[in-house]
Amino acid sequence: AQSVAQPEDQVNVAEGNPLTVKCTYSVSGNPYLFWYVQYPNRGLQFLLKYITGDNLVKGSYGFEAEFNKSQTSFHLKKPSALVSDSALYFCAVRGRGNTPLVFGKGTRLSVIA
Amino acid sequence: GAGVSQSPSNKVTEKGKDVELRCDPISGHTALYWYRQSLGQGLEFLIYFQGNSAPDKSGLPSDRFSAERTGGSVSTLTIQRTQQEDSAVYLCASSPRGSTVGRDYGYTFGSGTRLTVV
Repeated sequence: AQSVAQPEDQVNVAEGNPLTVKCTYSVSGNPYLFWYVQYPNRGLQFLLKYITGDNLVKGSYGFEAEFNKSQTSFHLKKPSALVSDSALYFCAVRGRGNTPLVFGKGTRLSVIA
Repeated sequence: GAGVSQSPSNKVTEKGKDVELRCDPISGHTALYWYRQSLGQGLEFLIYFQGNSAPDKSGLPSDRFSAERTGGSVSTLTIQRTQQEDSAVYLCASSPRGSTVGRDYGYTFGSGTRLTVV
């Protein structure tokens, strides 16, 4: 069975500081990994994905994520946080075949000015 | 349409009543997904439609929940005899097709329907 863990319910960072939102996964075979962001009263928006290729994936709004196969992790990062990055972030995984994405419980990021 | 449209955006219903939630996917998207977002629980998969194939209903929490997709486009999620624990945001997403080896087409989500059962 596929699963995703986001160990932190809440992450607080000061504006201008680097941020990391953690994600680990469990899946059979090669993983397809995703990050989505949800702003208040909005649907989920796609940030980035890892399917194959380079382990460092760059996405929207200056975010990036690093796929680490040995640690089964796909942490989301940004070098310099903005107050506007404050939102709910979801990591998701899909294994082989046409299986629906499995999402983590989400991490609320708060960037403080 | 330009995006995934869900209606209503908010629904308040009395316990025991039936409700219908509608999802209008992006034109041409063959895959359609329903998820439920409860406070502190993340996104819970409910059901998945892919083209003319039989839907994957493995996530439906009880037989009070059902969904259909007419003409390969609009989908309706029906909850019968609603309970307070059904209160959540119901999200619909669509995709050009399901995943294939080495490729993934991503999901586009609607803004959701917030269901409150009182």
